Amino acid sequence: TQTVSQSDAHVTVFEGDSVELRCNYSYGGSIYLSWYIQHHGRGLQFLLKYYSGNPVVQGVNGFEAEFSKSDSSFHLRKASVHWSDSAVYFCAVRDMDSNYQLIWGSGTKLIIKP
Amino acid sequence: GGIITQTPKFLIGQEGQKLTLKCQQNFNHDTMYWYRQDSGKGLRLIYYSITENDLQKGDLSEGYDASREKKSSFSLTVTSAQKNEMAVFLCATQTDSGNTLYFGEGSRLIVV
Repeated sequence: TQTVSQSDAHVTVFEGDSVELRCNYSYGGSIYLSWYIQHHGRGLQFLLKYYSGNPVVQGVNGFEAEFSKSDSSFHLRKASVHWSDSAVYFCAVRDMDSNYQLIWGSGTKLIIKP
Repeated sequence: GGIITQTPKFLIGQEGQKLTLKCQQNFNHDTMYWYRQDSGKGLRLIYYSITENDLQKGDLSEGYDASREKKSSFSLTVTSAQKNEMAVFLCATQTDSGNTLYFGEGSRLIVV
């Protein structure tokens, strides 16, 4: 069974700090990884994705993520957060042999203190 | 760009009532999804559809029906609303490459 784990339910940082949101998965086959952001009361918006190639991928608004096969991880990072980054972040994994089913993490709420 | 419109934004009904949520998209994407999001939780797949008139059950399909009569619309019916299924229902479409999902703003189900 594929699983996606976001171990931190909440992460709190000050504006201007760097942040890393963790995502670990368990699946041995060919997978597609992505991150989405959900602002309060809104739908999810795509941030970035990884399938192959350079393990560090860049997304919108200064976000990047790094894939590690050895750690089964796809952590999301930002060097300097802004108050508008306050949101819930979801990691998702798709089995490339099954085009339609994404497995979602439970989300990490990022709280930015002024 | 495109847009996904979910109606209504809030759906209030009584226990046991049959209630329907609607989703319209103008991306012209083939694949559409309905997810349920419980407070503070991740997304659980209810139904998806890979083309007009196609319906596929997700892990949470019991208690729900879906309909995809047109490519641009995908509706979800709660067959008998229960208080323990109050949640936000999210509609999404998938790009043809399969790499990205676009979501609507969500519809909140309230059962009184």
